[in-house]
Amino acid sequence: DTAVSQTPKYLVTQMGNDKSIKCEQNLGHDTMYWYKQDSKKFLKIMFSYNNKELIINETVPNRFSPKSPDKAHLNLHINSLELGDSAVYFCASSPYSLNTEAFFGQGTRLTVV
Amino acid sequence: AQSVTQPDIHITVSEGASLELRCNYSYGATPYLFWYVQSPGQGLQLLLKYFSGDTLVQGIKGFEAEFKRSQSSFNLRKPSVHWSDAAEYFCAVVHRNTDKLIFGTGTRLQVFP
Repeated sequence: DTAVSQTPKYLVTQMGNDKSIKCEQNLGHDTMYWYKQDSKKFLKIMFSYNNKELIINETVPNRFSPKSPDKAHLNLHINSLELGDSAVYFCASSPYSLNTEAFFGQGTRLTVV
Repeated sequence: AQSVTQPDIHITVSEGASLELRCNYSYGATPYLFWYVQSPGQGLQLLLKYFSGDTLVQGIKGFEAEFKRSQSSFNLRKPSVHWSDAAEYFCAVVHRNTDKLIFGTGTRLQVFP
């Protein structure tokens, strides 16, 4: 009964490829997020969605496109992968805003070679 | 610029010793404050949070944190560390007018037997 689940857990791919990471939450939360954790463990928000509507879109290359088919899912599609995209990507959800608590998935370690 | 500072990149303690991890923030008003823990290869788990009221908050796993407005600090403490506490600890804030969870750079805790 994983609350926030991401697939895949590991992803190794070549430069220039297009890949997707999927995220699902079964907590009934309205808000979902994508965070990027770099090699120095620094965590930075990329996107947030509330009830399928984009709320936060940080300065992220437009090669990154989030998609929320419903409020329980927030997928991340990345086009034309670059070496610098290698990182751990975390999905998270919260009831309606971060004024409560964010629940994180296990992360997806993306390695671009 | 709004920021969260964790001055200690790496801390090593002996099992049974007390622990204090430092966190300072720079915001115009008191934000919402959080401490998260990340075990190796895992997602982030919330230890505790402060929104208002009593400035000493209790969390899970025997952790507590104290909010000090005068020092813009929210330090995490534990009276007796266990070997299983070895992990990366992140302080985070949410500004009350936004929905962004801003993380500090993290403190890696190592515990020796």
